[in-house]
Amino acid sequence: EPEVTQTPSHQVTQMGQEVILRCVPISNHLYFYWYRQILGQKVEFLVSFYNNEISEKSEIFDDQFSVERPDGSNFTLKIRSTKLEDSAMYFCASTRELSTDTQYFGPGTRLTVL
Amino acid sequence: EDQVTQSPEALRLQEGESSSLNCSYTVSGLRGLFWYRQDPGKGPEFLFTLYSAGEEKEKERLKATLTKKESFLHITAPKPEDSATYLCAVFGGYNKLIFGAGTRLAVHP
Repeated sequence: EPEVTQTPSHQVTQMGQEVILRCVPISNHLYFYWYRQILGQKVEFLVSFYNNEISEKSEIFDDQFSVERPDGSNFTLKIRSTKLEDSAMYFCASTRELSTDTQYFGPGTRLTVL
Repeated sequence: EDQVTQSPEALRLQEGESSSLNCSYTVSGLRGLFWYRQDPGKGPEFLFTLYSAGEEKEKERLKATLTKKESFLHITAPKPEDSATYLCAVFGGYNKLIFGAGTRLAVHP
């Protein structure tokens, strides 16, 4: 059964450093998302991406964040200068169609900023 | 503002003791309500999608129902392996999911 994969599973970085989180969405899916979950809190939407453009972004997704689909399979989230409060689980999701289609989530990357 | 509230926050059951989890929502024009299961340190695992009031979906010991204001996840004769956090989410805005805080379910033998 196709699934969303994410690497690395755990990333530890120093405050101020850049990190890139990687995702491989399900192969025939067209819409891609990043969510995050701070420990003990709700899953929060960050950004959605379609046709090489950002479709929607939340207030959390400021200038320090960027997304890219560098090739036909990968989808990345970059944080330029990490802050302590960026420590969280980051989930990638994908869906085949817009509208009411189900979003399938990856296993997540745990980001720890020291 | 679109909002999802889940109750209870935590639920402890004995194996075989059936119960229900609640998800109440406020959204302008429901375009889909989703139930996910989340194990500790893992990503949300899709369970059900419900689109309109009166709709019901079943999978093994789980059954999801939907009204105009809330959804229920009924767990019949749960087993210890059903222990997890159950998340409810609705579409908000363009196509982002708005999640509730979840219900942590513990099923004891």
